[in-house]
Amino acid sequence: DAMVIQNPRYQVTQFGKPVTLSCSQTLNHNVMYWYQQKSSQAPKLLFHYYDKDFNNEADTPDNFQSRRPNTSFCFLDIRSPGLGDAAMYLCATSRQGSSPLHFGNGTRLTVT
Amino acid sequence: TQLLEQSPQFLSIQEGENLTVYCNSSSVFSSLQWYRQEPGEGPVLLVTVVTGGEVKKLKRLTFQFGDARKDSSLHITAAQPGDTGLYLCAVKTSYDKVIFGPGTSLSVIP
Repeated sequence: DAMVIQNPRYQVTQFGKPVTLSCSQTLNHNVMYWYQQKSSQAPKLLFHYYDKDFNNEADTPDNFQSRRPNTSFCFLDIRSPGLGDAAMYLCATSRQGSSPLHFGNGTRLTVT
Repeated sequence: TQLLEQSPQFLSIQEGENLTVYCNSSSVFSSLQWYRQEPGEGPVLLVTVVTGGEVKKLKRLTFQFGDARKDSSLHITAAQPGDTGLYLCAVKTSYDKVIFGPGTSLSVIP
């Protein structure tokens, strides 16, 4: 089945230690998204790729960066995680236009 | 200010009751989507509404898009415990940016 896969499902990192979360898709969608979701809140858009164009939200901290080496893969790098960065990180894909988002099951990040 | 507002924020009801949740904005959208999210999982699409005044039904769920395409509602008939989850409305803006409303957390008690 075509899908969006996030690895790992759970990630524990130490305060200040860089961490990378990964996302892959077999849907061949050209738009990919990274969202941060904290408990009982809605997903908050960090950035998205509209084809190869990278779009960074104005309020996304500089601590967060992303790479998309090809259509299928996308990475979220957190350079120096703080305690406030503990959250669920969701990757999603979409075709252009009014097509819906397809989400992975997320990576739950814990910062110790 | 948020692009999308949702109400109520939390809702706890007994099995068998009916409920309506709302998604509102001051902006006009070409389409609007509703998602449901269960704990520990990503949101899953329920429906996309496109035409002003459109009504779509998905079993016990009825979705309506406002005539002016600024608001939407989701009505659930005879709620069941399996309906428990976070209900999110979302819109695509420029360059396919997708913004979610704050969500309605629904709990259906058996």
